[in-house]
Amino acid sequence: DAGVIQSPRHEVTEMGQEVTLRCKPISGHDYLFWYRQTMMRGLELLIYFNNNVPIDDSGMPEDRFSAKMPNASFSTLKIQPSEPRDSAVYFCASSGGSSAPLHFGNGTRLTVT
Amino acid sequence: GEDVEQSLFLSVREGDSSVINCTYTDSSSTYLYWYKQEPGAGLQLLTYIFSNMDMKQDQRLTVLLNKKDKHLSLRIADTQTGDSAIYFCAEVSGNTPLVFGKGTRLSVIA
Repeated sequence: DAGVIQSPRHEVTEMGQEVTLRCKPISGHDYLFWYRQTMMRGLELLIYFNNNVPIDDSGMPEDRFSAKMPNASFSTLKIQPSEPRDSAVYFCASSGGSSAPLHFGNGTRLTVT
Repeated sequence: GEDVEQSLFLSVREGDSSVINCTYTDSSSTYLYWYKQEPGAGLQLLTYIFSNMDMKQDQRLTVLLNKKDKHLSLRIADTQTGDSAIYFCAEVSGNTPLVFGKGTRLSVIA
C-alpha cells in the first residue's frame, strides 16, 4: 500500500487566492482526518469524516475553510480566500476504525504571502 | 475536554537512554499511542499500548503506563542520532478521535 497520499507537497500563494489541498486515504480505511500543524499551536484537528460523511468540523477555523469527501478515495480541503495566518503544514490521516491508529500523509506545507 | 501534556524538549547523548513522558486527563482512555515525526514528514506510528496493560516492549522501545496517575512514558534504549525527531503522545477513548500532545523534540548529541 502506498500509504496516505497528499498533494501538493508545497504550496505558495498570495493572500486572497483560493487554495485546494488533496488527499487519498489508504484503501479500506473508513475514517479520514485533516490536521493543521504550526509551531505555536501544535497539531490541531480541523475536521474528520466517517464513510465520507463529515462527523465533526468544530476545529475548522472559520468559514473560509471547507472540506469535502466525494468518495472513499479522495478528500479536499479548500481555503478561500487564503490569509497569511493560514500558513502551516496540513496533514491528512486515515484509519480503519474509531480507535484504530492513524496513518498520516507527508503533509502539504502552505505558505501564504 | 481531554488534554495530553508533554515536555517540549529533551536532549541526550548518543548511546544513553531517552525517557519521554506524557500525562493525560481522560480516565476512560482505551489506547495510548506514541508517534514519531522526522523533519519534513508526517507522523509515524511507533508503538501503542492498551489501557489494561502496564508495560510493552518492542526492541529498543519500552512503554510504561501508570493508569492511576494517568502517566505514560516512552523509553528508547541506546539512543542513536537517527532517533532525533519530535515524539507525540496520543490517547483515544470511545469513538472520539485521537487527542495529541504538543510533542517532545528529542535531540541526540553525538
